Amino acid sequence: GQNIDQPTEMTATEGAIVQINCTYQTSGFNGLFWYQQHAGEAPTFLSYNVLDGLEEKGRFSSFLSRSKGYSYLLLKELQMKDSASYLCAVIDSNYQLIWGAGTKLIIKP
Amino acid sequence: SQTIHQWPATLVQPVGSPLSLECTVEGTSNPNLYWYRQAAGRGLQLLFYSVGIGQISSEVPQNLSASRPQDRQFILSSKKLLLSDSGFYLCAWSVGGREVQPQHFGDGTRLSIL
Repeated sequence: GQNIDQPTEMTATEGAIVQINCTYQTSGFNGLFWYQQHAGEAPTFLSYNVLDGLEEKGRFSSFLSRSKGYSYLLLKELQMKDSASYLCAVIDSNYQLIWGAGTKLIIKP
Repeated sequence: SQTIHQWPATLVQPVGSPLSLECTVEGTSNPNLYWYRQAAGRGLQLLFYSVGIGQISSEVPQNLSASRPQDRQFILSSKKLLLSDSGFYLCAWSVGGREVQPQHFGDGTRLSIL
C-alpha cells in the first residue's frame, strides 16, 4: 500500500529552528509537496520538490532524498504565526496525490 | 490571477437531508478540480476529481456524488446525508494537463450533521 509518515505533533520556541520530517512509501514518485494549514482554514501551498536536494524559500526550506523516500521541511526564525499543521503529499506514478495526516506545530513564546 | 470560491462556509443539516456544495474557479481554463473531506485532526481524503466537463472520477464509494456542469464549476451532492458525512469539505483546483502542478484550495465548508 501507499503510506506517508509524519510526526503527529511538534513543539518549538519562537525564534528557533524546527525540522518536520516526512517519509513515504508509494508506487512511484513524481514529486512532493508541502502545505501549511492553520486551524480551521484551508491548506496553502508552500513548496514542491522533485529532484534531490534543498529548495529554499525565505524562512522555509524543503529537502528531498528520493533514494531514502524522505523529505523534511525546515522552518527558521520561528514566529507565532507559524503555529499550524504542515502536510506532506507525494505524487505517485499515476499522478495521484497521496496525503500525509499532517504535523501539528506548536510555537511557544 | 486565479481565484477559487466555495460556499457555504458552514452548514448544519439533519440526517437524511440532501446536500449541495458549490465551487467555482476564476482566471483559468480547463482546470483539474477536486473535492476533499477532512475529518477533525485527520489528513485529506480525496472524494472526487475531474479533468474536464462531465468527467468525474470517484475515489471512495459513498453516498456522495459530484458533477461538473461547466468548465470551472464543481458541485458536490448527496441525496441523503449520514452522520458520518460530517467534516470539513474542501474544493481545490490545479492547472490542467499531466504536468505536475500544486493544488490550490478554497476556504472550505464545515458541514455538521445532526
